[in-house]
Amino acid sequence: DGGITQSPKYLFRKEGQNVTLSCEQNLNHDAMYWYRQDPGQGLRLIYYSQIVNDFQKGDIAEGYSVSREKKESFPLTVTSAQKNPTAFYLCASSSLTGANSPLHFGNGTRLTVT
Amino acid sequence: LAKTTQPISMDSYEGQEVNITCSHNNIATNDYITWYQQFPSQGPRFIIQGYKTKVTNEVASLFIPADRKSSTLSLPRVSLSDTAVYYCLVANNNAGNMLTFGGGTRLMVKP
Repeated sequence: DGGITQSPKYLFRKEGQNVTLSCEQNLNHDAMYWYRQDPGQGLRLIYYSQIVNDFQKGDIAEGYSVSREKKESFPLTVTSAQKNPTAFYLCASSSLTGANSPLHFGNGTRLTVT
Repeated sequence: LAKTTQPISMDSYEGQEVNITCSHNNIATNDYITWYQQFPSQGPRFIIQGYKTKVTNEVASLFIPADRKSSTLSLPRVSLSDTAVYYCLVANNNAGNMLTFGGGTRLMVKP
């Protein structure tokens, strides 16, 4: 089955530690995105990438870093500089062919930092 | 990127038709209107997409007036399982723009 896999589903870390969230897609999509969602809130864009080895900051990139070394993978690192890292993190991808390709989302990683 | 405005929440009863409107006054010529549904602790999933007039699929209809400054998602005969948050996204995904979601509409379907 084609899709997006985020792992792990739940992640716990101590304050001051960096943590990397995994996102893998086998849809052959060019574009990938990372969103953050806080309880009862909408999705906020952290980073996005349209092509391998290139990515752009979203609305709330501070305290986060990404890499796009392979088309299938777009890992997100939550650094110790992120003031409030506890949140639900969603990865998405889309094709850049066709008129307007919708986003495909993973099922998220819930990060808790104490 | 076109900013969107949706009602924060709506209530309905099983079997009713639900219409959720999204306002997007500064929609660009190349923008499409896409609706997503999100259940708790899951990623959003695509429902329907349109550019103008009316689009219908097996789960919903999307009405877009000629000026494209708003759109209405119509869910026929909702059931309890339609309780979710619904997001309207107005963008051209292929244009390299940031895809920024609004706050969404929380739909509660009651028995």
